Amino acid sequence: GAGVSQSPSNKVTEKGKDVELRCDPISGHTALYWYRQRLGQGLEFLIYFQGNSAPDKSGLPSDRFSAERTGESVSTLTIQRTQQEDSAVYLCASSLDTEAFFGQGTRLTVV
Amino acid sequence: GQQLNQSPQSMFIQEGEDVSMNCTSSSIFNTWLWYKQDPGEGPVLLIALYKAGELTSNGRLTAQFGITRKDSFLNISASIPSDVGIYFCAGQGSGGSNYKLTFGKGTLLTVNP
Repeated sequence: GAGVSQSPSNKVTEKGKDVELRCDPISGHTALYWYRQRLGQGLEFLIYFQGNSAPDKSGLPSDRFSAERTGESVSTLTIQRTQQEDSAVYLCASSLDTEAFFGQGTRLTVV
Repeated sequence: GQQLNQSPQSMFIQEGEDVSMNCTSSSIFNTWLWYKQDPGEGPVLLIALYKAGELTSNGRLTAQFGITRKDSFLNISASIPSDVGIYFCAGQGSGGSNYKLTFGKGTLLTVNP
């Protein structure tokens, strides 16, 4: 596709369940970011992948959060044992060099 | 790590007014980017700046890369209701851990018709 694709667009889950969020970056983009955005708030950096380098995981809020990326392709953000405080929009962005392009986000609601 | 201070946090203006927002950094950036986020959407790139002192326009939007490389501003002239949204600045430093984009916390713009 032409842009960054995220799925699902919406996810409602019960507290304590695990969820997986998927990001398909723009083809050829070596960098991939995950951000969390709570309602009415700014972008909270979670994790950054750049080519074959070790990911920058400095933004992950707890060990319940993890992310994987297969080469320069799809990335999956996993949240284990979800809590209500995890409710937010999770945004993915990819970049070839400098300019990052965002997906539409996954709105996660933990009930 | 690098930090960006974006101000103001929010603005409420009348249609037709000009708007100015800015970002300052504790460290030098090589690139400044400005994004706009409409409700329910992901941020969209508005303007990219690559050189200190650079002044770039995109329609009614004008952005500048500060000479010190530690700041940038975005101006919107003659605002219209569809300018409503959250505006984010982002900076990128040189290599290593500074290479990833750092985002400001955003400026929420409300335009009263």
